[in-house]
Amino acid sequence: DIQMTQSPSTLSASVGDRVTITCRARQSISTWLAWYQQKPGKAPKLLIYKASSLQSGVPSRFSGSGSGTEFTLTISSLQPDDFATYYCQQYGSYSTFGQGTKVEIK
Amino acid sequence: QVTLRESGPALVKPTQTLTLTCTFSGFSLSTSGMCVNWIRQPPGKALEWLARIDWDDDKYYTPSLKTRLTISKDTSKNQVVLTMTNMDPVDTATYYCARNAAAGTLGYWGQGTLVTVSS
Repeated sequence: DIQMTQSPSTLSASVGDRVTITCRARQSISTWLAWYQQKPGKAPKLLIYKASSLQSGVPSRFSGSGSGTEFTLTISSLQPDDFATYYCQQYGSYSTFGQGTKVEIK
Repeated sequence: QVTLRESGPALVKPTQTLTLTCTFSGFSLSTSGMCVNWIRQPPGKALEWLARIDWDDDKYYTPSLKTRLTISKDTSKNQVVLTMTNMDPVDTATYYCARNAAAGTLGYWGQGTLVTVSS
């Protein structure tokens, strides 16, 4: 398995803040990295694929970057609907998820 | 419109075998490039990818559970079945099936089904 490590585990922020979440892979996965948003009791929603490609219908305030072993998800201006848990997923070798980052209201 | 729905027992006893069915619509698993995955999430914990079956019947399993998992498809019924043997209380989780969007990503999800393992 390729282990994925997200940081931070929890992030407290206010509406309008710029938020950055980091995901590190134990070995290079090129750009085979996706980001998901999950709200309580709901299935995850795909936000970003291939490290930086925005899934159709996802607001442009979400962006992704990185390659190799280090990746980031950025929310440029946090909105009330964005308070949720975010997961990275590598799909370069089988598939593994990070442990999640909960974005909560400050 | 792509939809997926998981079904199976809500409660299983330790050592039993779990059988989950993913019934889908809006696509055919015989179409090139399509695949269906199983993912689980213990209460309050992170997502864990379990298995995948491709349109050409290639199958992939998470290495840590490979000996306990079997994935199969019935294209005529639009179903994918996951079996997990020797269930343990630590296997208590919500189990999701999901179809790929871009290669390897999970763009379409079912609502999930909670499976509790308890005697």
